[in-house]
Amino acid sequence: EVQLVESGGGLVKPGGSLRLSCAASGFTFSSYSMNWVRQAPGKGLEWVSSISSSSSYIYYADSVKGRFTISRDNAKNSLYLQMNSLRAEDTAVYYCARDPAAADGFYYFDYWGQGTLVTVSS
Amino acid sequence: SYELTQPPSVSVSPGQTARITCSGDALPKQYAYWYQQKPGQAPVLVIYKDSERPSGIPERFSGSSSGTTVTLTISGVQAEDEADYYCQSADSSGTVVFGGGTKLTVL
Repeated sequence: EVQLVESGGGLVKPGGSLRLSCAASGFTFSSYSMNWVRQAPGKGLEWVSSISSSSSYIYYADSVKGRFTISRDNAKNSLYLQMNSLRAEDTAVYYCARDPAAADGFYYFDYWGQGTLVTVSS
Repeated sequence: SYELTQPPSVSVSPGQTARITCSGDALPKQYAYWYQQKPGQAPVLVIYKDSERPSGIPERFSGSSSGTTVTLTISGVQAEDEADYYCQSADSSGTVVFGGGTKLTVL
């Protein structure tokens, strides 16, 4: 069974930093592109970042470019999101999600974690 | 990047057919995907590549595409289908975009 479990969320002050983790199990993690998607309270879904299976290709939404860094450790079956210079508008539930077909040029998400809440407030 | 536009809300009675649209200039060139999200839960993929249904998704969920508009159709709507629905697409570089979401209310 595919499982994605996020951790690392919490309360942080504006300008602060936080590192999110996503532990994957039930599939060959090193074969899939992975993503972070967030959802502000009461709002819609917003894609944040993606990373290819071997970390060769990395993309960011304009809203986080230069502040967030996505990475992965295939040996540990883990995905990460380093978030720096956090702003109030970064407050959201952050989901990690698997892309089943990025290698074929199709970008979508077939499995999602349950999310971890990041709150940026003084 | 580009935008995907969805109606904020759609209401139907049980047993009727619900149609949720999503419009975007790039949709003739890029596939669309649909997710269902119930309160407090993670999104679930219900349609991929415009009209394909993942295993485990009921047959009453279907998708179609025409020009710059894609449509999620739920036939014989059930109370359990009440949820937010999001369309999603991507450009050729892998930049992903979501529609604003549609709240489906089952009357």
